[in-house]
Amino acid sequence: NAGVTQTPKFQVLKTGQSMTLQCAQDMNHEYMSWYRQDPGMGLRLIHYSVGAGITDQGEVPNGYNVSRSTTEDFPLRLLSAAPSQTSVYFCASSYTPGQHYGYTFGSGTRLTVV
Amino acid sequence: SQQGEEDPQALSIQEGENATMNCSYKTSINNLQWYRQNSGRGLVHLILIRSNEREKHSGRLRVTLDTSKKSSSLLITASRAADTASYFCATDGWGTNAGKSTFGDGTTLTVKP
Repeated sequence: NAGVTQTPKFQVLKTGQSMTLQCAQDMNHEYMSWYRQDPGMGLRLIHYSVGAGITDQGEVPNGYNVSRSTTEDFPLRLLSAAPSQTSVYFCASSYTPGQHYGYTFGSGTRLTVV
Repeated sequence: SQQGEEDPQALSIQEGENATMNCSYKTSINNLQWYRQNSGRGLVHLILIRSNEREKHSGRLRVTLDTSKKSSSLLITASRAADTASYFCATDGWGTNAGKSTFGDGTTLTVKP
């Protein structure tokens, strides 16, 4: 099925641990992004990429790294997990920003940092 | 800071009634999108309206955009219990703001059977 695949769906980390959230899309979308959603709130942009080899920061980038070596994959790395990073993380993709027809979202990764 | 702000925060209606939710934004936009999120799930794209469009329809959905007032509205006609969800607007900017889509905090819609 075409779409955005996120793994894992659930994760519990201890403070200070690192991990990588995976995101893959098979729609040949140039644009990919990571958002976090805290309870009762909207989505906040962490990092985004307009194509392979190009990434940029969003609204809340601190504590997260990204890379885009292929069109399909856009992993999000938590360098040293903190309780403030407890959230639901969504990956999204689309055609070129400004020319797209809406973002396709993954089903999310629910992360708890204890 | 959030670009889009939805109003109301919560809306409760009876099945068959129409639901209207609004979105206001602060800076010039390229386009505005509406999404639905069912509890605990990812967001689903509903409709996109570009800055040079004033109204768009998709099935039971009607979206309007007033760039002079920096606002948009989403109308769901003849609502169903299955429409119960949170609805978010998102805006895309121009130039250096292209790609930095910003979302509001959403409107929670409850449709009672």
